[in-house]
Amino acid sequence: DGGITQSPKYLFRKEGQNVTLSCEQNLNHDAMYWYRQDPGQGLRLIYYSQIVNDFQKGDIAEGYSVSREKKESFPLTVTSAQKNPTAFYLCASSKAESSYNEQFFGPGTRLTVL
Amino acid sequence: AQSVAQPEDQVNVAEGNPLTVKCTYSVSGNPYLFWYVQYPNRGLQFLLKYITGDNLVKGSYGFEAEFNKSQTSFHLKKPSALVSDSALYFCAVRDMDTGRRALTFGSGTRLQVQP
Repeated sequence: DGGITQSPKYLFRKEGQNVTLSCEQNLNHDAMYWYRQDPGQGLRLIYYSQIVNDFQKGDIAEGYSVSREKKESFPLTVTSAQKNPTAFYLCASSKAESSYNEQFFGPGTRLTVL
Repeated sequence: AQSVAQPEDQVNVAEGNPLTVKCTYSVSGNPYLFWYVQYPNRGLQFLLKYITGDNLVKGSYGFEAEFNKSQTSFHLKKPSALVSDSALYFCAVRDMDTGRRALTFGSGTRLQVQP
């Protein structure tokens, strides 16, 4: 099956810890994205990457970091600097050759800070 | 800057009745517009998009949306609602004339279809 996988589905973190969320796609898409979803606020863009070894900050990048070493993978690290990390995190990908291509989403990771 | 407004947090409709979920947008250039649906604890699924051409766009599961440039709106519609349509719906926009390649999403509208 082609698609986007995210792991783990649920993640619990103690305060002060860094955690890394995995996102893998086998759609051969160039562009990948990370969003954060909070109740009543829709999706907010954290980081995005149009090509391997390049990425840009989104609207709420503070306290997060990413890497894009492979086309298929775009992991997100939630650092201890992120003050309110409890949220639902969604990864997406799209073809990059045209900006009107729709994004395909993974199933999400729910992060809870204990 | 680009933005999207979904003025209704929730829409309630009886099964078999037509439904409308509202979306208005703001861009400095010309818009690309999208609708997505989200079921509980799942990712978003693409429904339809407007790029150019016919203002009435048809998408998945019998949904359609009408682009209205003068009113800067892109309302989602379906002639006959199903209970299984109950979900969270997101409108999204991208300004085709700016450098930002990512979408901006609205806050979402919860659709509740009663049997």
